[in-house]
Amino acid sequence: GAVVSQHPSRVICKSGTSVKIECRSLDFQATTMFWYRQFPKKSLMLMATSNEGSKATYEQGVEKDKFLINHASLTLSTLTVTSAHPEDSSFYICSARDLVAGTYNEQFFGPGTRLTVL
Amino acid sequence: QKEVEQNSGPLSVPEGAIASLNCTYSDRGSQSFFWYRQYSGKSPELIMFIYSNGDKEDGRFTAQLNKASQYVSLLIRDSQPSDSATYLCAYPNYGGSQGNLIFGKGTKLSVKP
Repeated sequence: GAVVSQHPSRVICKSGTSVKIECRSLDFQATTMFWYRQFPKKSLMLMATSNEGSKATYEQGVEKDKFLINHASLTLSTLTVTSAHPEDSSFYICSARDLVAGTYNEQFFGPGTRLTVL
Repeated sequence: QKEVEQNSGPLSVPEGAIASLNCTYSDRGSQSFFWYRQYSGKSPELIMFIYSNGDKEDGRFTAQLNKASQYVSLLIRDSQPSDSATYLCAYPNYGGSQGNLIFGKGTKLSVKP
């Protein structure tokens, strides 16, 4: 149980293009999903909290027009990196909380998406 | 500001030894704590959580929580080379973005054969 998937696992794109990353909870419902970014050898950085049916909450310093988040259902959240630039190259990871079983606020992480912008 | 402090390491132990990973936290009201393991290039994987003072054992892993001292630790018995990873301590940010977790920077563990 508590499996989170992400797609794609790896993407290489040209500067200026937009990239969409999907995060799905496969066997549970998640009203809340979280998007993180991690640069090499650095710690996880929370970018935003994705809420089903409402606007995402962004952390300070994260541009909401740059990183568009849509949480269309209880099992799917998407992150779109718009007009990507080389400095956006990073490891993007989503996590989800189990609405029913997540008594202690534990989060389960997707496998991550490695984005490389040329 | 709510924080989690971890020794970044690297912590190097020989195979078969006990690895001890430590974490201190600033929010005295925290109720539950999590240990995640992250292999290089991979995403974090939840290995244990603890919410009561004392010890909680799961196989080779034992989590220890001392709320009075605001201290949580993870012991790995009979360490194996496959345990080599970065271990992240975390607790919920109850006043923050709907229960996001506050993570430490992680301790890198290296188990030498």
